[in-house]
Amino acid sequence: EMVLTQSPGTLSLSPGERATLSCRASQSVNNNFLGWYQQKPGQAPRLIIYAASTRATGIPDRFSGSGSGTDFTLTINRLEPEDFAVYYCQQYGSAPHAFGGGAKVEVK
Amino acid sequence: EVQLLESGGGVVQAGGSLRLSCAVSGFTFINYAVSWVRQAPGKGLEWVSAIGRGGVIPHYADIAKGRFTIFGDNSKTTLFLQMNSLRAEDTAIYYCAKEGDHPYFDYWGQGILVTVSS
Repeated sequence: EMVLTQSPGTLSLSPGERATLSCRASQSVNNNFLGWYQQKPGQAPRLIIYAASTRATGIPDRFSGSGSGTDFTLTINRLEPEDFAVYYCQQYGSAPHAFGGGAKVEVK
Repeated sequence: EVQLLESGGGVVQAGGSLRLSCAVSGFTFINYAVSWVRQAPGKGLEWVSAIGRGGVIPHYADIAKGRFTIFGDNSKTTLFLQMNSLRAEDTAIYYCAKEGDHPYFDYWGQGILVTVSS
């Protein structure tokens, strides 16, 4: 069963800075089927990126995803106030479709 | 417009049962799979179960096998999760989520809280 490890657990940044979040898989993710979700307190998760690098509908271009195999990255350029949240990666290349433990981007 | 609306949550004693519902609109699970994903208080996301495209074939995480049953109605617009032998560790917000062209989740319901008291 694949395990996804996200790092860092918490990232403290100021608006306007760049956030770089890592997601490492214990095995190669088939077809780079890796997604990223954003979750704010009291809300459902929201799809940000799928297939490692494709932005979901309505997601601004300051969000970008990259990586392949076992190492994936979510980059948020020029953080906006609404970007401070918890981010989860999820692999869906092989069952069960596991989530990472989450990474919090907080205001410094 | 795609929407998912969960209902049926609440407080139940350990060992008891609960049935969650997820009413979908803007699509049916003939065309797209739908999953249940849960989140324990203060914790991360955990996939629980899915019904595949066509609304017939179920899939379960190990934590759900033998205790939970996923099924849909004939109209393929309401999904159910029958949860039996509930444990304190099943306490969580349960979300239903629509899958996209592949098993990423492009639409989510608002979630429903299930509390299992011991």
